[in-house]
Amino acid sequence: AQKVTQAQTEISVVEKEDVTLDCVYETRDTTYYLFWYKQPPSGELVFLIRRNSFDEQNEISGRYSWNFQKSTSSFNFTITASQVVDSAVYFCALSEASNDYKLSFGAGTTVTVRA
Amino acid sequence: DGGITQSPKYLFRKEGQNVTLSCEQNLNHDAMYWYRQDPGQGLRLIYYSQIVNDFQKGDIAEGYSVSREKKESFPLTVTSAQKNPTAFYLCASSPQQGGSMNSPLHFGNGTRLTVT
Repeated sequence: AQKVTQAQTEISVVEKEDVTLDCVYETRDTTYYLFWYKQPPSGELVFLIRRNSFDEQNEISGRYSWNFQKSTSSFNFTITASQVVDSAVYFCALSEASNDYKLSFGAGTTVTVRA
Repeated sequence: DGGITQSPKYLFRKEGQNVTLSCEQNLNHDAMYWYRQDPGQGLRLIYYSQIVNDFQKGDIAEGYSVSREKKESFPLTVTSAQKNPTAFYLCASSPQQGGSMNSPLHFGNGTRLTVT
């Protein structure tokens, strides 16, 4: 069963527009971690954020913000005032205590920001 | 600078040949991982190792083999038994055993393998 669902395959926006990436997860654990990674064209995945299951506070880091809602099992990611450098594939991932903390990745969302 | 080095970046092989992908890290991390990435499928775990001389199968281990003789190195062999070996392969590491609970994974730049 898919543990992490990223329903949006591709999103294309014009520079300065906001873009929200959806992530829905599935787990029976009470202890788990959620992650977002960015994969630019170079191929290397870059860590963006980690959130544990006991901390539902939303977080903002510069133009990036994350909305964690346990009630809907979602961990959405918003890029405000997008820039061309934000063009990448973005992955949401889940790590569960019952699964030896192995990361389960979503299929990824390709974001293209046009100048 | 510390990091993970995967080589080569591009690899071409004929069907029926085994091929070994290199992964070296100088981060002094205990745990290392191999993921496979296919278009539209995200990353899938092939093998992982939490400590030297020990490794575990991931979700898609069939047709692959690994070794962990040194802390810094975790090579992946794609054998002729792997039905669809053409893919992008990513190596990762984390400082603690038990996966990524306490810290995020650090990834290499990947190796793109094409088998014809």
